Amino acid sequence: GESVGLHLPTLSVQEGDNSIINCAYSNSASDYFIWYKQESGKGPQFIIDIRSNMDKRQGQRVTVLLNKTVKHLSLQIAATQPGDSAVYFCAENVFGNEKLTFGTGTRLTIIP
Amino acid sequence: DAGVIQSPRHEVTEMGQEVTLRCKPISGHNSLFWYRQTMMRGLELLIYFNNNVPIDDSGMPEDRFSAKMPNASFSTLKIQPSEPRDSAVYFCASTPGQGFYGYTFGSGTRLTVV
Repeated sequence: GESVGLHLPTLSVQEGDNSIINCAYSNSASDYFIWYKQESGKGPQFIIDIRSNMDKRQGQRVTVLLNKTVKHLSLQIAATQPGDSAVYFCAENVFGNEKLTFGTGTRLTIIP
Repeated sequence: DAGVIQSPRHEVTEMGQEVTLRCKPISGHNSLFWYRQTMMRGLELLIYFNNNVPIDDSGMPEDRFSAKMPNASFSTLKIQPSEPRDSAVYFCASTPGQGFYGYTFGSGTRLTVV
């Protein structure tokens, strides 16, 4: 069936550097995408979203890029901090449907 | 707003016992979702409700699993009888249901069946 997958299961980044987490999706009908952050012992927390009519969206220290041509999504975190260490999930949604399909997640570790 | 509230946070039970997980969605949210998270399978949608009505239960693994939403502020996920392979973290999430802007998750219930 359709699925969302991540290329890299783990990523280690030096504190202060920028990080990029990637996600590939296969459902061409998906038109809404969300990045979630999950810290140990907690539920996933919304970070940023993007709709398919956009290719870039910026938040505080985070930027999401969407390339619909190759069905690719990325999350950029600028000037990483120890608190950014977590598992990051991308999720996709099709308009009119409340179901989210989650990717497998990438563990980001910030090295002090 | 206290967010989505789940209880208990941790549950350890013996195989064959009945387990009931509870969830209180955010007030005013019309849709509620139950997810299971394991290392092997990641986040899996089990069932979701809209206005207290089950809409999609295709993710419920077996008849041993059942979920109810008797009112807008409470839902339960029951496993009877429980098995060791049910060990996982179970999350509840809710969303307003008008327009879609993703879910708000609870902190989860870590279930261990021994």
